[in-house]
Amino acid sequence: EIVLTQSPGTLSLSPGEGATLSCRASQSVRSSYLAWYQQKPGQAPRLLIYGASSRAPGIPDRFRGSGSGTDFTLTIRRLEPEDFAVYYCQQYGTSLTFGGGTKVEIK
Amino acid sequence: EMQLVESGGGLVQPGRSLRLSCAASGFTFHEYTMHWVRQVPGKGLEWVSDISWNSDRTGYADSVKGRFTISRDNAKNSLYLQMNSLRPDDTALYYCVKDLFPVHPGAPTGAFDIWGQGTMVTVSS
Repeated sequence: EIVLTQSPGTLSLSPGEGATLSCRASQSVRSSYLAWYQQKPGQAPRLLIYGASSRAPGIPDRFRGSGSGTDFTLTIRRLEPEDFAVYYCQQYGTSLTFGGGTKVEIK
Repeated sequence: EMQLVESGGGLVQPGRSLRLSCAASGFTFHEYTMHWVRQVPGKGLEWVSDISWNSDRTGYADSVKGRFTISRDNAKNSLYLQMNSLRPDDTALYYCVKDLFPVHPGAPTGAFDIWGQGTMVTVSS
């Protein structure tokens, strides 16, 4: 099983700042089949990024995914108030596993 | 509008069974692999099971293998999860989830673009 480790666990930032979230895999993710989701309290997760760097329909371009192999990054340029949430990475190249999540909170 | 609506959750004693259902609408259901994902409240996400468009392939997490059975009825646009021998650590919110891409040779499965609102399963005596 591919284990995904997300860091940091919590990111405290102010609106307008940029955020960099990391997702490291225990082995290479096949074909960069790596997705990112955003989850707000009381809501189901929302797909942001698939294929490591492709934005899902309707996702603002301030969200950017990058990386390959075992190291992946979600970058949020200029945080909006609605961006404060928990973010999960997920690999779907070999079975399916999720990372433990990164909480982006208001500083 | 694409939508998934789960039902069937509730409180059940350890060792008993429960069947979850998911009604799909707004998309061509039979063109997509479908999944169940669960989440303990306040914790992370865990993939549970998936089923191919024509039911010829199913997959399960090791934690539920041999106890849970996924199925679908394309005529009814419905997905199911039969959960037997339930344990307290099965307590979670269960989401019905749709693959991003329709079935196509070479297309990946496992990026989820549509999620239901979830149905809560509580296993306790």
